[in-house]
Amino acid sequence: QLQLHESGPGLVKPSETLSLTCSVSGGSISSTSYYWSWIRQPPGKGLEWIGMIYYRGNTFYSPSLDSRVTLSVDTSNNQFSLNMNSVTAADTAVYYCARLIWSGFRAGFDYWGQGILVTVSS
Amino acid sequence: DIQMTQFPSSLSASVGDRVTITCQASQDIRNYLNWYQQKPGKAPKLLIYDASNLETGVPSRFSGSGSGTDFTFTISSLQPEDFATYYCQQYDNHPPLFTFGPGTKVDFK
Repeated sequence: QLQLHESGPGLVKPSETLSLTCSVSGGSISSTSYYWSWIRQPPGKGLEWIGMIYYRGNTFYSPSLDSRVTLSVDTSNNQFSLNMNSVTAADTAVYYCARLIWSGFRAGFDYWGQGILVTVSS
Repeated sequence: DIQMTQFPSSLSASVGDRVTITCQASQDIRNYLNWYQQKPGKAPKLLIYDASNLETGVPSRFSGSGSGTDFTFTISSLQPEDFATYYCQQYDNHPPLFTFGPGTKVDFK
């Protein structure tokens, strides 16, 4: 059974960089037909897609976050990471990593981590 | 950018009720529409993909329909474990872009 697990600091200061890692177990991050994605959810609000990465390093980002976000992948450790710079209180959210099926026939987030709350505050 | 709206934003229902949620896209998205269930403190769960296809392991009381701009999600007979928030989500392929609707909270009447 595939499992994803987010890790990283739960508190980040304004203007600093938010860094999270998603560890994948029970399957290979190098599987074809799958991308790996980050999604966030501010407390009490809806879901926002942040970006996606393929095991070869191909990335796509949400246009609204493109200038502040970088995704990277570490296939040797079966994990991928999110860096978001210049954070503000508006970036306070639960951050989820998820597997994205993205083929010519369908696209959807079928496996999710449990989420990690990141608070931006001084 | 494509905007997604959901109706209603919340509803109250009883066990056994038929529940219908509508999702509307601001432009034609063909059938590029998924539905998720989220319970408090948990990650979303994919229920329906490509508007009408049931994800493996999801009970058949869940269904979806629609194409273009108007989509419907139905629970044929609401069960106690179905009280949750439901989100629609559209996707573009070129370039990839994923947008969630604002959600519909289903709670006890």
